[in-house]
Amino acid sequence: DVKVTQSSRYLVKRTGEKVFLECVQDMDHENMFWYRQDPGLGLRLIYFSYDVKMKEKGDIPEGYSVSREKKERFSLILESASTNQTSMYLCASTSQAGGSETQYFGPGTRLLVL
Amino acid sequence: QKEVEQNSGPLSVPEGAIASLNCTYSDRGSQSFFWYRQYSGKSPELIMSIYSNGDKEDGRFTAQLNKASQYVSLLIRDSQPSDSATYLCAVKAWDRDDKIIFGKGTRLHILP
Repeated sequence: DVKVTQSSRYLVKRTGEKVFLECVQDMDHENMFWYRQDPGLGLRLIYFSYDVKMKEKGDIPEGYSVSREKKERFSLILESASTNQTSMYLCASTSQAGGSETQYFGPGTRLLVL
Repeated sequence: QKEVEQNSGPLSVPEGAIASLNCTYSDRGSQSFFWYRQYSGKSPELIMSIYSNGDKEDGRFTAQLNKASQYVSLLIRDSQPSDSATYLCAVKAWDRDDKIIFGKGTRLHILP
C-alpha cells in the first residue's frame, strides 16, 4: 500500500526559529514535492526534486530550502520562521515509471508560527 | 503563467442528484488531467485521471475532457453526503518538468 508520511501533524514554532519538516515515502518514487495550502490560495508549490541531491524551485521558494540526501526522504527547511509561513504543508511523491502520474500526498503538517 | 481555474463554490446539490464540477486551463500543451478530492483537514486524494478527449467513467464519477475548449469537468451521479468535500482540478504538460498545476478547488456540499 502506498505510503507518504510526514514527521508531524501539528507544529508550533516561534518567529526566527529554524524549522525542519520531514517527508518519507516508501514507494521508491523518483519525484517528491513540497506544497503549502492556504485558504483562498489553493496548493502552491514550494520546491520539488527529481532525484537524490537534486532540487528545483517551485512557485514560492523564498524563505524555504530543501534537502534530499536519500531517495525516500525529502526535507523542507524554514531557515528563520516567520508568521506568514503559518500554513498547512503537504508533501507528495510521484513515480516516473509505467506512465503513472498520480501524486500521493502525505497527511500534512499544520504549522503555526507565533 | 500556467493557470487552472475553478469556481470556488460552495456548490450545493441535493442528495441523489448529479453534481457537476468544472475547470478550465490556460496551457494548450497540457496532456494529463486529474481530479482530487480533499476532505476538510485532510490531504488530497486522486479520484480520476483523464488523458484523451471524451468521457471516462469510474463508478459514480465521470470525467469529461475537451482539449479544444481547454475544459475538463467531473460529474458525480447519485450524490451522497459523503461526497461533500473540496474538489481540486489539476493539469500537467508533457515535459521534463513534472509539475502539476492545481486549481484552487470547488467546495461541494451535498444536501441530505
